[in-house]
Amino acid sequence: KAGVTQTPRYLIKTRGQQVTLSCSPISGHRSVSWYQQTPGQGLQFLFEYFSETQRNKGNFPGRFSGRQFSNSRSEMNVSTLELGDSALYLCASSLAVGLAFPYEQYFGPGTRLTVT
Amino acid sequence: GNSVTQMEGPVTLSEEAFLTINCTYTATGYPSLFWYVQYPGEGLQLLLKATKADDKGSNKGFEATYRKETTSFHLEKGSVQVSDSAVYFCALGASNAGGTSYGKLTFGQGTILTVHP
Repeated sequence: KAGVTQTPRYLIKTRGQQVTLSCSPISGHRSVSWYQQTPGQGLQFLFEYFSETQRNKGNFPGRFSGRQFSNSRSEMNVSTLELGDSALYLCASSLAVGLAFPYEQYFGPGTRLTVT
Repeated sequence: GNSVTQMEGPVTLSEEAFLTINCTYTATGYPSLFWYVQYPGEGLQLLLKATKADDKGSNKGFEATYRKETTSFHLEKGSVQVSDSAVYFCALGASNAGGTSYGKLTFGQGTILTVHP
């Protein structure tokens, strides 16, 4: 089974621009979570989508948004980029069914975003 | 809220040495605990997990036991290899489905492990 894929792998943007990152979950997985990884703050939860609905959101400004499509693929968008948005953005998918909560999460390789 | 604290790093060992990476947590209820590993340029890989007190997770020679009394989940390996060099993350997931729990893992700050031949 193919793993979680993220595109693009690397991205360079200028302050003030916007960016869209894409994540394709493992086939059959219905939940997609997004995380931001930086050297200073570590891994921080952005949001989670399940069946095209955002069920949970971390403590990030409204410039960070996301969506999920009917095939469970997800995108996240960052508008009005700031230098501090430079980070590795990871998405993770999980089956999200059954009683074994919390569900195991499987991570993609990440998108490295650099804001100049 | 939930939090995870890992031992200060980095950790440098010689091949075949014993490894311990400490992890303690603060959480309400009875969370599940995970160890993830991140190799350079890659995402996180699930290494092992434990879902209740006294459970022992194990994989690829790594072990960790869920200790509720000490709120700990220390990672151990009896004999490390150069290929184990990576960053290790301890993580916590809430045990109850609910609005602030869905899809969220809380991570420690990560411990860089370097193993020399």
